[in-house]
Amino acid sequence: GAVVSQHPSRVICKSGTSVKIECRSLDFQATTMFWYRQFPKKSLMLMATSNEGSKATYEQGVEKDKFLINHASLTLSTLTVTSAHPEDSSFYICSASTTIAGDGETQYFGPGTRLLVL
Amino acid sequence: GEDVEQSLFLSVREGDSSVINCTYTDSSSTYLYWYKQEPGAGLQLLTYIFSNMDMKQDQRLTVLLNKKDKHLSLRIADTQTGDSAIYFCAEVLTGGGNKLTFGTGTQLKVEL
Repeated sequence: GAVVSQHPSRVICKSGTSVKIECRSLDFQATTMFWYRQFPKKSLMLMATSNEGSKATYEQGVEKDKFLINHASLTLSTLTVTSAHPEDSSFYICSASTTIAGDGETQYFGPGTRLLVL
Repeated sequence: GEDVEQSLFLSVREGDSSVINCTYTDSSSTYLYWYKQEPGAGLQLLTYIFSNMDMKQDQRLTVLLNKKDKHLSLRIADTQTGDSAIYFCAEVLTGGGNKLTFGTGTQLKVEL
């Protein structure tokens, strides 16, 4: 159980185009979904937190107009990188959170999406 | 502050034990986690410990928590080549919702 998928796994796009990445919780309903960005050989940087039906909360320094997050249901969140540029090339990882009674809250991570902007 | 530090690299021989260390600065952690990341993949939760515990054992994995020194460690017994990966510790702070703060990651290399 607790499987999170991301689509696509890898995308290459031209500079100036927009790219949408989907994150789905396959067998559970996620109260919250998170989007992370990971640079090569670096840790994960939290970009934003989203709850179903409400606006995402962005971390300091993350442009909300650049990285659009839509959380339409308890099983789907999307991240759209608008007008992508080469510096947006990165590994984007989502996670979905659910509370397991007695065990605290745990996040389940997707496999990540590799974005390359040419 | 929310700095979480790890050593960058660890190399061990197959069959030996590996100990990956993590230090953090914020004492209001509620849960502390260990994740494994294989090349090009997302994160796999290995284990976690509640902040009022000192130790947790799960098969080959042993987590030790020293709250006084703000030090967390992960011991992998009988390390195998399949354990080669990057290991991240992470913490969730009191009042932080379930927002994770990750360590810098330790690359574990297991040699034959």
